Amino acid sequence: AQSVTQLGSHVSVSEGALVLLRCNYSSSVPPYLFWYVQYPNQGLQLLLKYTTGATLVKGINGFEAEFKKSETSFHLTKPSAHMSDAAEYFCAVSEWRDDKIIFGKGTRLHILP
Amino acid sequence: GAVVSQHPSRVICKSGTSVKIECRSLDFQATTMFWYRQFPKQSLMLMATSNEGSKATYEQGVEKDKFLINHASLTLSTLTVTSAHPEDSSFYICSARDLASGGAKGEQYFGPGTRLTVT
Repeated sequence: AQSVTQLGSHVSVSEGALVLLRCNYSSSVPPYLFWYVQYPNQGLQLLLKYTTGATLVKGINGFEAEFKKSETSFHLTKPSAHMSDAAEYFCAVSEWRDDKIIFGKGTRLHILP
Repeated sequence: GAVVSQHPSRVICKSGTSVKIECRSLDFQATTMFWYRQFPKQSLMLMATSNEGSKATYEQGVEKDKFLINHASLTLSTLTVTSAHPEDSSFYICSARDLASGGAKGEQYFGPGTRLTVT
């Protein structure tokens, strides 16, 4: 069965500092991996996704993530945090043969001035 | 990009009544739509997968007679919470898979969510 583990339910970084949100997954077959962002009382917006090919994936708003099969990880990074990045971030996994997306518990990112 | 809408965005109803939530794909066709439930400060839990023209597939523990799902067209799915109770209060989010995205399985577009409060 697929699962996603996000380390840290809350992460705080200073404005301008590096953002690192950790995600580890479990899947019996090559996974599709996603990062979504959710602002208060809103739906989810796709930041980036990995399906096949290049393991370093660039997304919107300056975010990127690297698929590391050996570590079963898909950590999200951004070189310089902006106040507008404060939100809830969800890592998710699905299998190529299955439409279902399984979400992690989410990490709330706080940006300190 | 693909847009998914939900209506209403917020609804308050009395215990025992039924509430219908609509999910529409505005600029694409969706053979498959998904319904999620999100409790405060928690992740999204998949409730059911809705396929156009056929019965929905419910996840374990989700009462199909309580959460009625209809997917009558390629752009519309509805979730009806029947005989709602306060414990049904939650944030309900739908997503839709773009038929045209073909091999990009897993590409889903999410609606803005519906906040249901049962009093």
